[in-house]
Amino acid sequence: GNSVTQMEGPVTLSEEAFLTINCTYTATGYPSLFWYVQYPGEGLQLLLKATKADDKGSNKGFEATYRKETTSFHLEKGSVQVSDSAVYFCALSNFNKFYFGSGTKLNVKP
Amino acid sequence: NAGVTQTPKFRVLKTGQSMTLLCAQDMNHEYMYWYRQDPGMGLRLIHYSVGEGTTAKGEVPDGYNVSRLKKQNFLLGLESAAPSQTSVYFCASSSPVDRGQNQPQHFGDGTRLSIL
Repeated sequence: GNSVTQMEGPVTLSEEAFLTINCTYTATGYPSLFWYVQYPGEGLQLLLKATKADDKGSNKGFEATYRKETTSFHLEKGSVQVSDSAVYFCALSNFNKFYFGSGTKLNVKP
Repeated sequence: NAGVTQTPKFRVLKTGQSMTLLCAQDMNHEYMYWYRQDPGMGLRLIHYSVGEGTTAKGEVPDGYNVSRLKKQNFLLGLESAAPSQTSVYFCASSSPVDRGQNQPQHFGDGTRLSIL
């Protein structure tokens, strides 16, 4: 079957620290992988995506690489800001069906 | 660009009342989805639609009904609201697989529903 597992939060970091949020998946076929971000009181916004193995998605300083050999899509950012505080969701899409991780809350302290 | 618009944004109901949540998208997407988001449970799919006039059950469909009479609109109905349906409801839309690539979902800002 298809599923997404991501690290539980909350993750608390100081401003300018390095961020990694782990995400692993199980899937059949050739899924696309996504990271979404949700700010308080808002809906999920697409942060980045990767559609095939070894693709790297990037946006706003965040990056994630589609690793088929380790079935992973870890989110990274070299230097987080207070404004990055939000909940991050890893997701996969396979045959037009979507599967979301449970979300990881990130708190960035000044 | 409006994207996905949900109305209302907030609502308080009494147990047993009925209501309809409206989702409208202006991206000409074929697929539309309704989710609920509860603390500690992530997103759970209620119903979805793969095209005008078609609907299908998701993970937690009980107590809800949906209709997709127009391509751009997807309605979620609560026939007899229960406190367990207190949640934040999100609508999303997406395009079909394009040249072998699955497309992302686009979300509305949510409807915060409280059932007393």
